[in-house]
Amino acid sequence: EAQVTQNPRYLITVTGKKLTVTCSQNMNHEYMSWYRQDPGLGLRQIYYSMNVEVTDKGDVPEGYKVSRKEKRNFPLILESPSPNQTSLYFCASSLGLAGGGEFFGPGTRLTVL
Amino acid sequence: GESVGLHLPTLSVQEGDNSIINCAYSNSASDYFIWYKQESGKGPQFIIDIRSNMDKRQGQRVTVLLNKTVKHLSLQIAATQPGDSAVYFCATYNQGGKLIFGQGTELSVKP
Repeated sequence: EAQVTQNPRYLITVTGKKLTVTCSQNMNHEYMSWYRQDPGLGLRQIYYSMNVEVTDKGDVPEGYKVSRKEKRNFPLILESPSPNQTSLYFCASSLGLAGGGEFFGPGTRLTVL
Repeated sequence: GESVGLHLPTLSVQEGDNSIINCAYSNSASDYFIWYKQESGKGPQFIIDIRSNMDKRQGQRVTVLLNKTVKHLSLQIAATQPGDSAVYFCATYNQGGKLIFGQGTELSVKP
């Protein structure tokens, strides 16, 4: 089954404690991205990657890091989480402009206390 | 900068009626558009897409119309069902390869 998986699905943590949210896709997609979704602000892109070792900033990259060492994985790293990073996070993958839209993961709900 | 916007944040329709959700975009060079559906507690799900060389594309109970002259696209859902209740987003890629989403329209279907 074609899918994007994220882990963990739910996480409560404290300010300053480094965390990683993993993302993996099994569709051999080159394009992957991370979004956060907040009430009233919609979906905002954090980082995206057009291929292995190629990453670029989205709209709200501050406080986040990503890496793309393998095609299937695109982890999101919060080196020092803060309460304003409390949000719902989605990973997605796609063929990019080749079409077909983005496949989204199920989401990770993060709370930073 | 580039933007994609939906005209109404909420839309309420009677079950069985047709729904029309509208979206406007700012960049006349945009050439690929996607509609997503997001149900409560889930990630956005691809519904249908359209390229700028087309004016209309149909799927199962859904139709997307593209008017490049006024930079407007719409999603039409025929015979709306309770399972269609969700937030609908339009989106397009900018030339840098970034996907830009509209704010979303919440569709409520009354039985």
